[in-house]
Amino acid sequence: QKEVEQNSGPLSVPEGAIASLNCTYSDRGSQSFFWYRQYSGKSPELIMSIYSNGDKEDGRFTAQLNKASQYVSLLIRDSQPSDSATYLCAVKSGGSYIPTFGRGTSLIVHP
Amino acid sequence: EAGVTQFPSHSVIEKGQTVTLRCDPISGHDNLYWYRRVMGKEIKFLLHFVKESKQDESGMPNNRFLAERTGGTYSTLKVQPAELEDSGVYFCASSQEAGEWDTEAFFGQGTRLTVV
Repeated sequence: QKEVEQNSGPLSVPEGAIASLNCTYSDRGSQSFFWYRQYSGKSPELIMSIYSNGDKEDGRFTAQLNKASQYVSLLIRDSQPSDSATYLCAVKSGGSYIPTFGRGTSLIVHP
Repeated sequence: EAGVTQFPSHSVIEKGQTVTLRCDPISGHDNLYWYRRVMGKEIKFLLHFVKESKQDESGMPNNRFLAERTGGTYSTLKVQPAELEDSGVYFCASSQEAGEWDTEAFFGQGTRLTVV
């Protein structure tokens, strides 16, 4: 059974710090990796996708993928209180249309 | 352009009752997905429609759940009879092409179902 593991948190960081969110997955055939942000009561929103080993940067967000170790992480630089949300990791294998989600990590950025 | 919309936003029903959730996908999106998040757990896949056909229903928990998408537009998910463990948030997502989660798959806000 494909599994995606995340620490549920909450992860609490001060404003301006780097928030590091981690995710591990069990399926070695996974090829697509996604990070979603979900504010309370709102829909999950895609913020990053990554497919190759290494880093991918988009503004204050950096996704890091290590397929050999089967983990993917999301770094948020200069964290802001508006970044406070639940961050969901999702993983999809090449032969599937359906991503598998983790339970999400709650991030709290305090002023 | 309207996004994925779900109705109702909240529903509280008694155990044994029937509830029907509705999802209106983005116009033109052939692919529609239902997911469910039980409290404290991960978002779990329920099923995938391509137009009006069920492409994959491997995540449906049992035969108390019935999903339909007549005409290939909106979809309904009926739970009959509802049990306490059915409580959670039911999400719907849609995309034009299957599996295009990185470019065009969008989620609705979810329906929070509470069975008491």
